[in-house]
Amino acid sequence: EAQVTQNPRYLITVTGKKLTVTCSQNMNHEYMSWYRQDPGLGLRQIYYSMNVEVTDKGDVPEGYKVSRKEKRNFPLILESPSPNQTSLYFCASSSGGTSASRNEQFFGPGTRLTVL
Amino acid sequence: GQQLNQSPQSMFIQEGEDVSMNCTSSSIFNTWLWYKQDPGEGPVLLIALYKAGELTSNGRLTAQFGITRKDSFLNISASIPSDVGIYFCAGTTSGTYKYIFGTGTRLKVLA
Repeated sequence: EAQVTQNPRYLITVTGKKLTVTCSQNMNHEYMSWYRQDPGLGLRQIYYSMNVEVTDKGDVPEGYKVSRKEKRNFPLILESPSPNQTSLYFCASSSGGTSASRNEQFFGPGTRLTVL
Repeated sequence: GQQLNQSPQSMFIQEGEDVSMNCTSSSIFNTWLWYKQDPGEGPVLLIALYKAGELTSNGRLTAQFGITRKDSFLNISASIPSDVGIYFCAGTTSGTYKYIFGTGTRLKVLA
């Protein structure tokens, strides 16, 4: 089944304790992206990757890191989490490239993160 | 960061009614997208629009790409209970891989 998976689905942590949220897709997609969803703010793009070893900042990259060493994986790293990073996080992927299909992003199920 | 203004924020409607929502931006986009998010899940793409003035349907859903390129509209006809969820618009510009999402319209359908 074609899907985007995220782990963990739920995480409660404390300020300053480094964490990684994994994202994996099995559709051979070139493009992957991370979003955070907060009440009243919709989804905001954190980072995206057009292909292996190619990443760029979205609208709200501060406090986050990403890496794209393999096509299927795009982990989100919080080196020193703070309470304002408490949010619902979504990973998404699409075929990428220049065709219209690059806009058809498939989203993962979400990771609910709480930073105390 | 940039955001799209989406309205209304929430709607309560009776089953069978038609629904309209819209999205406006201070910037021009050349692609508009509409997503639906069911409770506890990630958004799912409903309709993609690529040309100013374009009108595209997907079943009971119809979306339009505004002539000014700064707005888009989504209509749902004859709503049913499974239409419940949050609807998001999103815009992007060719040559970039950045997506700007709206703040969402939460739809509740009363049977």
